[in-house]
Amino acid sequence: ELKVEQNPLFLSMQEGKNYTIYCNYSTTSDRLYWYRQDPGKSLESLFVLLSNGAVKQEGRLMASLDTKARLSTLHITAAVHDLSATYFCAVDIGQGAQKLVFGQGTRLTINP
Amino acid sequence: DADVTQTPRNRITKTGKRIMLECSQTKGHDRMYWYRQDPGLGLRLIYYSFDVKDINKGEISDGYSVSRQAQAKFSLSLESAIPNQTALYFCATSDRTRGTYNEQFFGPGTRLTVL
Repeated sequence: ELKVEQNPLFLSMQEGKNYTIYCNYSTTSDRLYWYRQDPGKSLESLFVLLSNGAVKQEGRLMASLDTKARLSTLHITAAVHDLSATYFCAVDIGQGAQKLVFGQGTRLTINP
Repeated sequence: DADVTQTPRNRITKTGKRIMLECSQTKGHDRMYWYRQDPGLGLRLIYYSFDVKDINKGEISDGYSVSRQAQAKFSLSLESAIPNQTALYFCATSDRTRGTYNEQFFGPGTRLTVL
């Protein structure tokens, strides 16, 4: 059974600082997705990582995937308040099944 | 207009009642999913459908049933609602024909409360 764990689950940080959210998963997969959820809202797709070593960047967010280590990271550079949200990673169970297993989510709060 | 819509957006019901949540999409995607979200647990897959004639159970299907009325419509039913089915429910879609870029797109969610 595929398990996906995020770390940390809660993160409070100051504007301008850098930090990383980690997503570990328990079985082989080469497809990983990052989503953002604002309070009371739906999930918005941020990144799709499709192979080992994949790196995607959008603004102050950068995501990477290491399939050998079964680890993805979401790095935040020079955080700003607008990035406050809950971030989820999700792992495809494999073979293009398009069945995603989600992590618990990381609630990120960025303080002025 | 929203690509994935869900109705109702909020619903309060009583234990034992039957309730249906509906999802419609205009994205032309063939695959549709139902998830529930509980605090601290992320999203968990209830049912999924890869086309009108293909429906599959997900991680937590007990107490739920689904119907794929058309490619664009996927309904989730609670035959006899119980309080621990109180949650936020999301419908999602994806497109097999896009090859390996199997991104799922989510609806706005339905907040269900079972008293």
